[in-house]
Amino acid sequence: QKEVEQDPGPLSVPEGAIVSLNCTYSNSAFQYFMWYRQYSRKGPELLMYTYSSGNKEDGRFTAQVDKSSKYISLFIRDSQPSDSATYLCAISNSGGSNYKLTFGKGTLLTVNP
Amino acid sequence: GAGVSQTPSNKVTEKGKYVELRCDPISGHTALYWYRQSLGQGPEFLIYFQGTGAADDSGLPNDRFFAVRPEGSVSTLKIQRTERGDSAVYLCASSPGLAGGQDTQYFGPGTRLTVL
Repeated sequence: QKEVEQDPGPLSVPEGAIVSLNCTYSNSAFQYFMWYRQYSRKGPELLMYTYSSGNKEDGRFTAQVDKSSKYISLFIRDSQPSDSATYLCAISNSGGSNYKLTFGKGTLLTVNP
Repeated sequence: GAGVSQTPSNKVTEKGKYVELRCDPISGHTALYWYRQSLGQGPEFLIYFQGTGAADDSGLPNDRFFAVRPEGSVSTLKIQRTERGDSAVYLCASSPGLAGGQDTQYFGPGTRLTVL
């Protein structure tokens, strides 16, 4: 079993839809949870970072962490064509090795105008 | 300000050749990371530098891979005797090197390596 599982999609939605992206993880030592967005032929850029269970909102984006289920989600409201990209979840330990990010495979999202 | 830059953007080489990939981190960032992203996969950790020293090289796949950061800024990833399986996008990231908590990693655009 991989440490982080993410459905690669692809996911295609109409403009304005609510998008739900998810990852599961196996190691309870993971404490930091991130979502990165990666446009084609570009490097990943950090979208959201959370540490504890619960929700964190930033504009149209909401990150949700459920440590009891080892499940993390990213919701995108009012999706736009410019949101079309690959979304990667990334997780790291607390403590001395928190620099080592473990990524999911990424979900390719297309928002159609 | 300028982000992380990587050169070359694309590199095509033949099996068995030696390649060097360069990373210029964000100015002032003390931490630097290399990741490898194969087609359809997420990035995989290779090595982490804090200053000039490799603090963690546990992700390097074998001894054909080596990375340096001699002056604590620019880093070079070196691959000897390249194999077709080395074909991937090699991503570099840098971060301020903050102690504790989250130290945001900023990624470069990557070098796309193709081994024929």
